[in-house]
Amino acid sequence: SQELEQSPQSLIVQEGKNLTINCTSSKTLYGLYWYKQKYGEGLIFLMMLQKGGEEKSHEKITAKLDEKKQQSSLHITASQPSHAGIYLCGADPTGNTPLVFGKGTRLSVIA
Amino acid sequence: DSGVTQTPKHLITATGQRVTLRCSPRSGDLSVYWYQQSLDQGLQFLIQYYNGEERAKGNILERFSAQQFPDLHSELNLSSLELGDSALYFCASSVSAATNYGYTFGSGTRLTVV
Repeated sequence: SQELEQSPQSLIVQEGKNLTINCTSSKTLYGLYWYKQKYGEGLIFLMMLQKGGEEKSHEKITAKLDEKKQQSSLHITASQPSHAGIYLCGADPTGNTPLVFGKGTRLSVIA
Repeated sequence: DSGVTQTPKHLITATGQRVTLRCSPRSGDLSVYWYQQSLDQGLQFLIQYYNGEERAKGNILERFSAQQFPDLHSELNLSSLELGDSALYFCASSVSAATNYGYTFGSGTRLTVV
């Protein structure tokens, strides 16, 4: 079965600093999805990547999928307190099956 | 508001009891997914329905069951509850049976079994 490993498990950064979260799979990803979850709340869709080498940006968040489609990174530039939360990557194992998720990266942004 | 409505938001019940969680998908979405989130296991897929039919099954216990009704809302039934069933239960919806467009998640039901 597809397993997604996220690193780091948790991250504390000072406001204004950049950071990167990684998501790695042992198998080719047919689609990679990034979600953000505020503590105890629902998941908010951030971005979807499908093609090898694809890169998408939204405001200060950039996500990339490597050429082999087995690793994705999420980069936040000039972090703000509003970026705090849990970031989860999800992937479609076969191209037509429900998403499986990594265990998440807990991000705290301190002043 | 994501458009996916889950009720109730919180539920506290005793071991051995049965509860029903309800989900109304986003307007126009035909697929409904149920996930369980716990601290140690993360977000685990339970079951998917598409237009009233069961589409995929994940790590769903035999004590749990679900259905999707003609109006497309879905219910997750949890019976013979155990302490370990305490978790956040999420419903998500998508327009098709495939994942091409991603999912929209509800805000979840927090179940506490005491």
